[in-house]
Amino acid sequence: SQTIHQWPATLVQPVGSPLSLECTVEGTSNPNLYWYRQAAGRGLQLLFYSVGIGQISSEVPQNLSASRPQDRQFILSSKKLLLSDSGFYLCAWSRPNEQYFGPGTRLTVT
Amino acid sequence: DQQVKQNSPSLSVQEGRISILNCDYTNSMFDYFLWYKKYPAEGPTFLISISSIKDKNEDGRFTVFLNKSAKHLSLHIVPSQPGDSAVYFCAASERLKDAGNMLTFGGGTRLMVKP
Repeated sequence: SQTIHQWPATLVQPVGSPLSLECTVEGTSNPNLYWYRQAAGRGLQLLFYSVGIGQISSEVPQNLSASRPQDRQFILSSKKLLLSDSGFYLCAWSRPNEQYFGPGTRLTVT
Repeated sequence: DQQVKQNSPSLSVQEGRISILNCDYTNSMFDYFLWYKKYPAEGPTFLISISSIKDKNEDGRFTVFLNKSAKHLSLHIVPSQPGDSAVYFCAASERLKDAGNMLTFGGGTRLMVKP
């Protein structure tokens, strides 16, 4: 069966520091991968998606970037965090039509 | 402009009764609709989905209804149980030009089922 992992589970970082969140998927090959953010009290916003190694599409302009160095690995990064980057970050993989989410990373920028 | 809206931020229901969660959308390109359940500090869990060519899909206590002409879908939970208390997100899917699909989420409805 397929499983999706995210780490770390929680992170507290100062403004201006770098960020690296990692997502890995097991049990499937060549998945479509997604990064979402849920800001406090709001719905889920799609940040990036990837249909293959090295292929990244961005849905919103922002302070963040994504990379896919391996088939089942998706990384969310920032060179300098902003206060507004705080939120709950979710990675997902998809079958046709349906997406399945990881456990999420709670990021607090102080 | 929100393409997917859940107009009720919260809903309170007595255990054993029916819970009805509603969702409206505006984009005619959406071809698949999903409901997710989310607990605090956890990722959303997929519940049930429906293709745009159908008007009803049932899975146990959960039924999703789609009214394409009204661009409206709803999730019915019967009977409601206290363990159903969570935030429910409606999502609509459209195909991406480079394969894969993109989900657009509503803002969520917090369901509270009282014992």
